[in-house]
Amino acid sequence: QQQVKQSPQSLIVQKGGISIINCAYENTAFDYFPWYQQFPGKGPALLIAIRPDVSEKKEGRFTISFNKSAKQFSLHIMDSQPGDSATYFCAPFSSGSARQLTFGSGTQLTVLP
Amino acid sequence: GAGVSQSPSNKVTEKGKDVELRCDPISGHTALYWYRQRLGQGLEFLIYFQGNSAPDKSGLPSDRFSAERTGESVSTLTIQRTQQEDSAVYLCASSFTGTSLGGTQYFGPGTRLLVL
Repeated sequence: QQQVKQSPQSLIVQKGGISIINCAYENTAFDYFPWYQQFPGKGPALLIAIRPDVSEKKEGRFTISFNKSAKQFSLHIMDSQPGDSATYFCAPFSSGSARQLTFGSGTQLTVLP
Repeated sequence: GAGVSQSPSNKVTEKGKDVELRCDPISGHTALYWYRQRLGQGLEFLIYFQGNSAPDKSGLPSDRFSAERTGESVSTLTIQRTQQEDSAVYLCASSFTGTSLGGTQYFGPGTRLLVL
């Protein structure tokens, strides 16, 4: 059973544009919703995360929007820069049951200069 | 150290040989995770250690895979009788709080395994 569906698989954006990546989940027990960023040859690193008691969290150019009823959350990158080019993974987590992150399949973002 | 370290960074082996991958977590982190990442794919959970509790081995794909952890320190992932489908990047991560607070996982750079 695929618990996490991430889209799109790849995304190309012009510098200065907005990048939007979506994550849909099935497990209603998830209570922590992080996005990880991975550069080639590196391990993933936490970018931003949200808990379900808020609908939006903003950190600089990065925003998470959370829709509990739709069981979806998304990552918005404003004023996208070439340095944002990386693979992004959503990885929702259930602190009460599962012990490991359930990673989405990843979105390869390319920001053109 | 400043972060999670893994060794070797690259490993090329022949089908049927055994390999051992090492992970040094961040000092003080009680939780340690191993993941597998095939080319262009997401991360696949393998095994999880939390303190002195019994490890969660639910993600290990076969009995050829095993892992150990010494206390809250180094961990080794062993793959016996390697197969070509074992070729992947093996990532280790550690976190301070483990499960209860969705503790942020800090990843190492990975070991790139190629089985010929």
